[in-house]
Parts: sequence; structure tokens; C-alpha cells
Amino acid sequence: KQEVTQIPAALSVPEGENLVLNCSFTDSAIYNLQWFRQDPGKGLTSLLLIQSSQREQTSGRLNASLDKSSGRSTLYIAASQPGDSATYLCAVVPLRDYKLSFGAGTTVTVRA
Amino acid sequence: DTEVTQTPKHLVMGMTNKKSLKCEQHMGHRAMYWYKQKAKKPPELMFVYSYEKLSINESVPSRFSPECPNSSLLNLHLHALQPEDSALYLCASSQDRGLGQETQYFGPGTRLLVL
Repeated sequence: KQEVTQIPAALSVPEGENLVLNCSFTDSAIYNLQWFRQDPGKGLTSLLLIQSSQREQTSGRLNASLDKSSGRSTLYIAASQPGDSATYLCAVVPLRDYKLSFGAGTTVTVRA
Repeated sequence: DTEVTQTPKHLVMGMTNKKSLKCEQHMGHRAMYWYKQKAKKPPELMFVYSYEKLSINESVPSRFSPECPNSSLLNLHLHALQPEDSALYLCASSQDRGLGQETQYFGPGTRLLVL
């Protein structure tokens, strides 16, 4: 069974600092990996989707890398802002069943 | 329009009540999903509909009954729920292939409290 781990569980940084969020997974037989953002009590917003053949994806201040062989992905958020405060969830899509397998998330607080 | 809407936003119900959650999308998506999310936990898949047919039921208790009347609408009928069913219920949709092969668009969720 695919296990997805996100460390740290929570992170607090001053505004302007770069954020580095880590995701690890146990089974490298994946179709893609996705990063989501969730604001308190709200739904999920898709941030980036990396296909298994890709090494990274970029969108604005966000950059996500994927090292499938080592079972790791990193989400970088440049020049953080208070509006970036949210929980960030990593999800892998195993080839076995194509169902999103989520990590528990990293809750980010950006202090003004 | 890249929006998935869910009603109601909040719902409080007793264990003997019958209620329904509603989800709607107008993106022309043919796959729709129900997820359950407990506090500080990741979402858990409950049901998947593909082209208005139930394709996945993750062994969900029968007190939860999904319905897909048309390609834009997804309902979740609730009956005789237990307090441990209290959670945020999320609806999502995607283009057509279903599951994680394509981006899923999530609604804001319905916060359910069972007393």
C-alpha cells in the first residue's frame, strides 16, 4: 500500500522567506504526483501536477520537483506572503489503482 | 467556469434524520467524486462516478447513498448516520477518465455534524 509522508507537519516563516515543503512516498510505481492547497474548512485547490516522466513543474512562484526513484517530491514557494498561509497536501497516483493517495499535509503560517 | 459548488455549506442532523448533500459543476466534466475528510486528516475517497455510472464504491456503509441524476449533478443521500460520520464532505470533478490521471477540481465542501 502506498504510504505518503509530509514533513514537517507545520511550518512558520517570516514574510519574504522561501518555503520548502517535502513529500516522500514508498512505491515509485506512480502515474503522477499532485500538490494541493487547502485553506481552513475549505476545499482543495490543485497547484501543480507532475507526470511520472517529468522532473519538475513550475507555476509562478511555485516550483515542484519529482525524484521518482528515491520517492521524493519538494514544493518550493518563493518569496512567501501571508496569503500563502494554508495547508499544503501532496498526493501520489499509483499505477495500481489511479486513486489519489494523500499525505497528511504541512500547515504553513507566513508571519507579516 | 472552473467552479464546483456544494450545498449546503453546513449541516447539522440527528441520527434518525434523512438529508442530502448536493454538488454541481458546469465544466462539462464526466467524472465526479465524493471524499470524506476528518479534522486534520487527508481526504478519503468514497465514491466515483464516470459518465453518470457508479464506478467505484470504497466499501462505504449503506447509510451513505450516492446518486448522479445527470452529468452536472451529484448527490449524497444520508440516512441514520452516526456521530463518527461528522466530517467535511468534499465533491470533486475531472474531465472524463476519472481518478488521478487528470486534475480534479474540488468544491468548498459541506461541514456535517451528526448529533
